[in-house]
Amino acid sequence: EAAVTQSPRSKVAVTGGKVTLSCHQTNNHDYMYWYRQDTGHGLRLIHYSYVADSTEKGDIPDGYKASRPSQENFSLILELASLSQTAVYFCASSDARDEQYFGPGTRLTVL
Amino acid sequence: QQQVRQSPQSLTVWEGETAILNCSYEDSTFNYFPWYQQFPGEGPALLISIRSVSDKKEDGRFTIFFNKREKKLSLHITDSQPGDSATYFCAASEGTQVVGQLTFGRGTRLQVYA
Repeated sequence: EAAVTQSPRSKVAVTGGKVTLSCHQTNNHDYMYWYRQDTGHGLRLIHYSYVADSTEKGDIPDGYKASRPSQENFSLILELASLSQTAVYFCASSDARDEQYFGPGTRLTVL
Repeated sequence: QQQVRQSPQSLTVWEGETAILNCSYEDSTFNYFPWYQQFPGEGPALLISIRSVSDKKEDGRFTIFFNKREKKLSLHITDSQPGDSATYFCAASEGTQVVGQLTFGRGTRLQVYA
């Protein structure tokens, strides 16, 4: 069964520290996305990628970097974590038909 | 400025009733509108979607009604079940953007009581 997995599922980080969130998909999809979800808000797009070794900025890219080393893997990197980056982060993948398949999410708490 | 708005923020219905969730959008170039269902602790999952060339899409107990002129759509859940209790997100994308670049509303939390 096609799937999107994320690791870790939860993470506690210190302010100013580096955080890497990982995403792996077995859907054979070209497109991958990183979203953040805050309480009372919908999902907001941080970065996306439509081919390996290339990433694009989404709606809220500030403070985040992304890396797509292969079709299957997409990482989100917080070089200097801040309190405002406490949120749940979702990875998703899709093909050209628009339907996005989401992972289970990573709950990040920055202290 | 919110591109996609949802109402109500929360909705409670009894089992067997029809739940109606509303969505409106600003950008007239949006042409694809998926609805996602999210249970606590899980990622969103696509429930049903519609393209702007249609005014209605039905899938079992779930129906989307779309009004392009008014830039509004609604999700109707008939014969609501307690298992439908979840948060529902309306989203939109525009065909000339990178495929799949979705803009989400803030969601409607649905509670169905038995």
